[in-house]
Amino acid sequence: DAMVIQNPRYQVTQFGKPVTLSCSQTLNHNVMYWYQQKSSQAPKLLFHYYDKDFNNEADTPDNFQSRRPNTSFCFLDIRSPGLGDAAMYLCATSRVGDTQYFGPGTRLTVL
Amino acid sequence: GQQVMQIPQYQHVQEGEDFTTYCNSSTTLSNIQWYKQRPGGHPVFLIQLVKSGEVKKQKRLTFQFGEAKKNSSLHITATQTTDVGTYFCAGPPAGNNRKLIWGLGTSLAVNP
Repeated sequence: DAMVIQNPRYQVTQFGKPVTLSCSQTLNHNVMYWYQQKSSQAPKLLFHYYDKDFNNEADTPDNFQSRRPNTSFCFLDIRSPGLGDAAMYLCATSRVGDTQYFGPGTRLTVL
Repeated sequence: GQQVMQIPQYQHVQEGEDFTTYCNSSTTLSNIQWYKQRPGGHPVFLIQLVKSGEVKKQKRLTFQFGEAKKNSSLHITATQTTDVGTYFCAGPPAGNNRKLIWGLGTSLAVNP
């Protein structure tokens, strides 16, 4: 089945220890998104890729970086996680202007 | 800045009662999309409305898109416990269809 896959589903890291979250898709969508979602809040867009074109949101901290080596894969790197970065990280894909398909998310815990 | 207000923030109903959530955007949207997120889950796409004044139905769910393409509503008839979750509206602002502006969501609880 075509889908959006995120790994790992749960990630525990220590304060300041870099972490990488991954997302892959079999939908062949040209847009990929990374969202951060904290409890009882709406998803907050961090950045998105339109093909290889990277688009950072103005309020996304420099601590968050992303890579998209090919159409299918996208990575979220958190260089020095702080306690405030504990959240669910959602990857989504879409065709431009179309509905977004979400992966199951990675729940990040920072100790 | 561009934002989408969604009300109510929380709604607690008895099973069988109706439920409505409303979205109001500060800017014209190209379309409006509705997503449902179950507790502990991820947002799942429900429906997209594109045309001004459009109304769509999915079984007990009725979706409307306002004439000005700035507001929308989701109405659930005779709620069931399976309707529990948070309902988000979201839409791309006219002229920028790469990303969505999200409402804050309405959390629905249903008492059996």
